[in-house]
Amino acid sequence: AQSVTQPDIHITVSEGASLELRCNYSYGATPYLFWYVQSPGQGLQLLLKYFSGDTLVQGIKGFEAEFKRSQSSFNLRKPSVHWSDAAEYFCAVAPRGGGGNKLTFGTGTQLKVEL
Amino acid sequence: SQTIHQWPATLVQPVGSPLSLECTVEGTSNPNLYWYRQAAGRGLQLLFYSVGIGQISSEVPQNLSASRPQDRQFILSSKKLLLSDSGFYLCAWIQGGGSYEQYFGPGTRLTVT
Repeated sequence: AQSVTQPDIHITVSEGASLELRCNYSYGATPYLFWYVQSPGQGLQLLLKYFSGDTLVQGIKGFEAEFKRSQSSFNLRKPSVHWSDAAEYFCAVAPRGGGGNKLTFGTGTQLKVEL
Repeated sequence: SQTIHQWPATLVQPVGSPLSLECTVEGTSNPNLYWYRQAAGRGLQLLFYSVGIGQISSEVPQNLSASRPQDRQFILSSKKLLLSDSGFYLCAWIQGGGSYEQYFGPGTRLTVT
């Protein structure tokens, strides 16, 4: 069955420290890959996406993610975290080739930033 | 530019009462529309999606239904709410065709008491 796994439910980092949020997927073929961020009580905002090409993709707010086919992973990184980055982060995948363009989301990682 | 609206923002309803949540999109035509529910600690669950007026696909058997009476309007309904229907409901859209980037509304917090 197709699935998305975010193994870390909660992560706490100090402001200014680096960040890596993990995402692994299980699909028959490489899907389209996304990272979204959700502030408390808000909708989701797209941070970045991977469709093809360069496996290191840049997004908004200084985030980047690297697609590793051999590991079926799409980890999100940021070199220096700001207090405003505290939020919940969701990895999502979509199968190539239509099917309603549906996304499957991971269960999310809650990021806390210590000042 | 495109904008997505959801209302109400919050709602408290008793068990057994009906429900109607509305989502509208501005600035685009013929979008794909999606309803998700987010329960605490459980990520997002896709409930329904629609690729056109009157076309509804249900992902999970449940106490809810959806309708798309107009191109940019998507409604989530229930005849009788259950306690388990509590959660944060999110509407999303994408431009039809080859796009996969979903854009989300601000959400509706539903509490069933």
